[in-house]
Amino acid sequence: ETGVTQSPTHLIKTRGQQVTLRCSSQSGHNTVSWYQQALGQGPQFIFQYYREEENGRGNFPPRFSGLQFPNYSSELNVNALELDDSALYLCASSVTGTGTYNEQFFGPGTRLTVL
Amino acid sequence: RKEVEQDPGPFNVPEGATVAFNCTYSNSASQSFFWYRQDCRKEPKLLMSVYSSGNEDGRFTAQLNRASQYISLLIRDSKLSDSATYLCVVPHGSGNTGKLIFGQGTTLQVKP
Repeated sequence: ETGVTQSPTHLIKTRGQQVTLRCSSQSGHNTVSWYQQALGQGPQFIFQYYREEENGRGNFPPRFSGLQFPNYSSELNVNALELDDSALYLCASSVTGTGTYNEQFFGPGTRLTVL
Repeated sequence: RKEVEQDPGPFNVPEGATVAFNCTYSNSASQSFFWYRQDCRKEPKLLMSVYSSGNEDGRFTAQLNRASQYISLLIRDSKLSDSATYLCVVPHGSGNTGKLIFGQGTTLQVKP
């Protein structure tokens, strides 16, 4: 186990609703990245949070937003849900510091279904 | 062109077979590369890192060809437990902006 936890594990929403997904990072990790994985595809980077600020964003609309808290946990919020938002949402924690790459450890994901 | 491309498969092989997966990447400045394994409905987990020409770990060998912008993963003596999706990953940026660019994944089914 990576020590990264996510909640809830599954969620069903309808179009137009809003959703909040939560992630607790591994102890000692200060950076959280969020990814969306549609069925049959690889994960796609949504954004990354470091020091409670967004620190890099992928090609996702503004209705995808997030937060990072002082304890490094994070939330992903999606407004005005669309059918195509149905996916597995993965959070990954890492340490930002020295070195060119810091391994990202993934949580088990939240499976979101939009009807 | 996608930043990271993989043949999605599926690759169906018998136990004991040797199988190889290929991956191409578009960013010639990339310095490090990874193979992740993802079991059905689970999170991706790091399998191997490749920083120079290659890396070997038991039955698994990863090779890098920078001139062709090509990475491969070779699995020898396949086991039933190797059945999974293998994701080729290229980090983008460094330090504070280390997002991971994933390929589509290649599915491997090892049959008895």
